[in-house]
Amino acid sequence: DNQMTQSPSSLSASVGDRVTITCRASQAISNYLNWYQQKTGNAPNLLIYGASSLQSGVPSRFSGSGSGTDFTLTISSLQPEDSASYYCQQSHTTPPTFGQGTKVEIK
Amino acid sequence: EVQLVQSGAEVKKPGESLKISCQGSGYSFSTYWIGWVRQMPGKGLEWMGVIYPGDSDTRYGPSFQGQVTISADKSISTAYLQWSSLKASDTAMYFCARPRGVGASIDPFDIWGQGTMVTVSS
Repeated sequence: DNQMTQSPSSLSASVGDRVTITCRASQAISNYLNWYQQKTGNAPNLLIYGASSLQSGVPSRFSGSGSGTDFTLTISSLQPEDSASYYCQQSHTTPPTFGQGTKVEIK
Repeated sequence: EVQLVQSGAEVKKPGESLKISCQGSGYSFSTYWIGWVRQMPGKGLEWMGVIYPGDSDTRYGPSFQGQVTISADKSISTAYLQWSSLKASDTAMYFCARPRGVGASIDPFDIWGQGTMVTVSS
């Protein structure tokens, strides 16, 4: 399996802060990298696919970048409703593995 | 509206069997793969497998091969996840989800069910 490693595991930031989460693949995956947001008690929600394409309906403060093995999810100006866990997922090879998640809290 | 609606929460004893369901609506059910994702309490997401309802082609993640069975009935737009003998370690939330692309088995999931909580306890 292609192991996906996220950092940090958790972070606390203030409203308006710029937040960055990184994801590293153990094997190169081109741009087959997706990001999900999961709020407590809810199903995950697709934010970014293909490393940098914004899913329809997702606010433009979310952006993704990277290629190969190293990827980044950025929230340009953190909002209260962004309090959630965030997961990366590779969709290059089966099984499409997820990272362990990053919990984002609002200070 | 495209949606997936899952069956309700289950409480079972170890050794019992179980089949949970996921009904799709608002799209051509037979032409999209549909998958299952496990989330154990307080833990992350795990891709279990997918099925193509059009011909029942099924792919499993290595950790789940032989542990669960994924099936589908395209006549009623419903996918299933079943266990023949539950263990306490099967306690988890199970989500069904649909990949973005038509005919794409490992595309990212853009439509999700609400989740089914399975609790296995003696």
